[in-house]
Amino acid sequence: GDSVTQMEGPVTLSEEAFLTINCTYTATGYPSLFWYVQYPGEGLQLLLKATKADDKGSNKGFEATYRKETTSFHLEKGSVQVSDSAVYFCALLRWGGKLIFGQGTELSVKP
Amino acid sequence: EAGVTQFPSHSVIEKGQTVTLRCDPISGHDNLYWYRRVMGKEIKFLLHFVKESKQDESGMPNNRFLAERTGGTYSTLKVQPAELEDSGVYFCASSQAEPGETQYFGPGTRLLVL
Repeated sequence: GDSVTQMEGPVTLSEEAFLTINCTYTATGYPSLFWYVQYPGEGLQLLLKATKADDKGSNKGFEATYRKETTSFHLEKGSVQVSDSAVYFCALLRWGGKLIFGQGTELSVKP
Repeated sequence: EAGVTQFPSHSVIEKGQTVTLRCDPISGHDNLYWYRRVMGKEIKFLLHFVKESKQDESGMPNNRFLAERTGGTYSTLKVQPAELEDSGVYFCASSQAEPGETQYFGPGTRLLVL
């Protein structure tokens, strides 16, 4: 069945460091891919998405490129801030609207 | 525009008791989804409503879980009787008419079964 695998956390970085959170998927066809973020005490928010191969999603300085050949959708940011501390979830969308999530990666950014 | 709301935000109950979670989707959203995150693991799909009809309930763990969506508006998820392994965070999400539309999530209900 379809699945999403994320790098395990927690990830701890200093402010202004470069961030990569790896995400790979297994799926039939070419599903839309998403990154959701959960800030402390809040619900899930859509961070970015890509709907087809080679699409790049971007938002708030974060980027992820839909790589069909490597079945990956890695999240990157050039310079993280303390306010980026959160749990990040990679997900794919199946027919009918069901989202399949990875296990989440907790990011902690220190000043 | 109000977002997806969930009630309660937290619930602590004893094993064997009943708990009912409520979700109010964004007004006008036909699709409503329930998900669950247990013990820091991945968020798992439970079920999907289109208006008042259950479109997909393949993720419901067992018959102790009952979901309803009255009149195609708010939804409730009842767990009866609750077991220890039901503890986790229950998320609700809604989206507009097309299933592929972006899903907007509520803040979740944190359930602890003792």
